[in-house]
Amino acid sequence: GAVVSQHPSRVICKSGTSVKIECRSLDFQATTMFWYRQFPKQSLMLMATSNEGSKATYEQGVEKDKFLINHASLTLSTLTVTSAHPEDSSFYICSARAGTGGVETQYFGPGTRLLVL
Amino acid sequence: QKEVEQDPGPLSVPEGAIVSLNCTYSNSAFQYFMWYRQYSRKGPELLMYTYSSGNKEDGRFTAQVDKSSKYISLFIRDSQPSDSATYLCAMSWSGGYQKVTFGTGTKLQVIP
Repeated sequence: GAVVSQHPSRVICKSGTSVKIECRSLDFQATTMFWYRQFPKQSLMLMATSNEGSKATYEQGVEKDKFLINHASLTLSTLTVTSAHPEDSSFYICSARAGTGGVETQYFGPGTRLLVL
Repeated sequence: QKEVEQDPGPLSVPEGAIVSLNCTYSNSAFQYFMWYRQYSRKGPELLMYTYSSGNKEDGRFTAQVDKSSKYISLFIRDSQPSDSATYLCAMSWSGGYQKVTFGTGTKLQVIP
């Protein structure tokens, strides 16, 4: 089956530093990747949609200068949380869509737990 | 009012029980309905995917959609301890990617 990996799985950083999270589709090419954030006991909230080679589309209320997304290749997207603050602590999950299929072809990564001290 | 409402649980059932998980929604434009299973500290995994109203069965899992009531359900028969996870309902306007809206998830524990 389709596999999506994320690295790191967990990161702890000091307030004010930047953190990069990688999302890779291991056995398929993903023209579109999505970044979600999940707070405890809350639903997954879509942050942005990225297409390979073009700028990401951010959801309303998500600061694009704070959450930098780079979709450099068909198998790799990165999310950089710049100048992280404690309120950015959350579970960040990426997903990748295989080809041009619908929601059923969207595969999720295992998530990255970010703790900002 | 949230677009998708889901009881967070937790829901505890004995092994072998039939489990019923439900979501209600407010946006009548939703056409595609999904159920995901999420184990602790893992990403969601798609379990069931249905379009419009009706039932869909896959092994021990049955998904039901009642668009007239804006209500969807997931039934798990002969529940197993390995079914213990959080179950998220999700919905979309279009099968091609449009924004997917998730419920908060229901935490299920199946007790041996």
